[in-house]
Amino acid sequence: SAVISQKPSRDICQRGTSLTIQCQVDSQVTMMFWYRQQPGQSLTLIATANQGSEATYESGFVIDKFPISRPNLTFSTLTVSNMSPEDSSIYLCSVALPRGPQHFGDGTRLSIL
Amino acid sequence: AQTVTQSQPEMSVQEAETVTLSCTYDTSESDYYLFWYKQPPSRQMILVIRQEAYKQQNATENRFSVNFQKAAKSFSLKISDSQLGDAAMYFCAYRSTNSGNTPLVFGKGTRLSVIA
Repeated sequence: SAVISQKPSRDICQRGTSLTIQCQVDSQVTMMFWYRQQPGQSLTLIATANQGSEATYESGFVIDKFPISRPNLTFSTLTVSNMSPEDSSIYLCSVALPRGPQHFGDGTRLSIL
Repeated sequence: AQTVTQSQPEMSVQEAETVTLSCTYDTSESDYYLFWYKQPPSRQMILVIRQEAYKQQNATENRFSVNFQKAAKSFSLKISDSQLGDAAMYFCAYRSTNSGNTPLVFGKGTRLSVIA
């Protein structure tokens, strides 16, 4: 299994600002995934982050809005840029071990005023 | 693309009783994984149980068991002797095995309430 430390756990931000969420894993993993969970909804994949290359974004998500860094095999960041109230969600990072389940961080609850 | 459908937005069960949550999925692949995750109000995603498609035997984990029907593409979760702590959102999820690391595809979730 993998232990994932995600921070901050929650934040309240002003409209138009940016917030960077950090995700640290206790073992080396090839892929890290970032999900968004809007209130009362399921998880939607934002992007897949592979160390040493640009992240791959899902339809409806763009790099300018959600830039991702993946500097090494145990760490990734997701930035939510130019925030608006529609960005109020839980953001979760996740890793998948080969032929195993996905493990999740505890999530970041983001509220935009 | 794979899809996962949970047709029950909400379910309720009396404490100590048994409840079954439904999940169907669509895929053209023959080898894959299926999972049930629990998300309590604390928002942690907790793995409840997993099933490998090539295994015919249904997975069990203590009070949790699945009914995996590969031909019907059905993967239901049975919770026996329900406890108050079982109250949560439950998500059914699919993962391909075609490449080394593929993300989960989630259903919309079922909110389970446990009545004392």
